[in-house]
Amino acid sequence: AQTVTQSQPEMSVQEAETVTLSCTYDTSENNYYLFWYKQPPSRQMILVIRQEAYKQQNATENRFSVNFQKAAKSFSLKISDSQLGDTAMYFCASSSSNTGKLIFGQGTTLQVKP
Amino acid sequence: NAGVMQNPRHLVRRRGQEARLRCSPMKGHSHVYWYRQLPEEGLKFMVYLQKENIIDESGMPKERFSAEFPKEGPSILRIQQVVRGDSAAYFCASSPSAGGNGYTFGSGTRLTVV
Repeated sequence: AQTVTQSQPEMSVQEAETVTLSCTYDTSENNYYLFWYKQPPSRQMILVIRQEAYKQQNATENRFSVNFQKAAKSFSLKISDSQLGDTAMYFCASSSSNTGKLIFGQGTTLQVKP
Repeated sequence: NAGVMQNPRHLVRRRGQEARLRCSPMKGHSHVYWYRQLPEEGLKFMVYLQKENIIDESGMPKERFSAEFPKEGPSILRIQQVVRGDSAAYFCASSPSAGGNGYTFGSGTRLTVV
């Protein structure tokens, strides 16, 4: 069975600073994907970044990047130059490449302070 | 492309009534997933459907819950005889294929049972 664990219920960061959100996972799958989703107060699930497990290179999307450590089953999200609009709940998730079913972590509430 | 459309956005039901939640996937997407988010929690997988077929319903409660994705029309998540514990946000996602590519979430339906 797949599991995803986010050990930081809440984080805060000053505007323009850098913050890292932690995520560990467990899976018996050989092929899988890892995701970070953002959920602002509007409740919309917004894809932040996606990593294919067979790719060694860490994914980046503008100010967002991941540190993917496959052997350690760790998938942390780094947000650089934090902006007030980054304030949201962030969910780490894994999926099987066979079914696409997503397994989510418990979430980390991020507060960006002016 | 209108994205994944869920309706209604908000639904209030009295205990014992039925709730019907609708999800229209993105054009060209034949894979639909339903998730439930209880307050202050992450999303939990419920069911995965392709046109006219239930592929994985391992997250569905054994009683009162059912889902369908007919050949024509939206996918429907049906909850019979609702109880207060069914109050949650229900999200639908669609993708063009199984796996982690092209996954798109709807805005969710917030069900409140009074």
